[in-house]
Amino acid sequence: QKEVEQNSGPLSVPEGAIASLNCTYSDRGSQSFFWYRQYSGKSPELIMSIYSNGDKEDGRFTAQLNKASQYVSLLIRDSQPSDSATYLCAVNMGGFKTIFGAGTRLFVKA
Amino acid sequence: DVKVTQSSRYLVKRTGEKVFLECVQDMDHENMFWYRQDPGLGLRLIYFSYDVKMKEKGDIPEGYSVSREKKERFSLILESASTNQTSMYLCASSLEGTNEKLFFGSGTQLSVL
Repeated sequence: QKEVEQNSGPLSVPEGAIASLNCTYSDRGSQSFFWYRQYSGKSPELIMSIYSNGDKEDGRFTAQLNKASQYVSLLIRDSQPSDSATYLCAVNMGGFKTIFGAGTRLFVKA
Repeated sequence: DVKVTQSSRYLVKRTGEKVFLECVQDMDHENMFWYRQDPGLGLRLIYFSYDVKMKEKGDIPEGYSVSREKKERFSLILESASTNQTSMYLCASSLEGTNEKLFFGSGTQLSVL
């Protein structure tokens, strides 16, 4: 069974700090990696995608991918209370299926 | 913007009932998906479709079926609802091809009593 693992949290950080969210995956053939944000009672929305090793930055968000170690991370700089949500790591193995982790709850304290 | 619309936000059904969950997308996406989301388990893929009238089983298809008669509409059917099918059901769509990002509907919280 192909798996995507995340620490469930909650991860609590003060406002303005860097939040670091981590994810590991089991299938070495995985090709596409995504981070979705899900507010309580809402559906997931895509915030980052990454396809090759290294860092990808978009505003306050940076996704990091290390295929050799099979992990992907999301850094949120200058965390805001509005960033409080569950962050879902998702991995596509090259076909139509995207496998999701159970999510990490992030709480940003004002 | 892509819009994925699920017909009901909340549904309450009795065990043994046949249940239809409807999903419509308005961006001419080829691929459509049904996931269920349970606390601690994340999203699990039930079925997906990459073309009209085409369907493929996901990781947990037992007790479910699907229908895709038109490109924009993907229906999930619970033939005989059971209490262990109480869950949040999320429909998603994506562009043609593989490795594509998903656009989600707002979800249907189904309770089977």
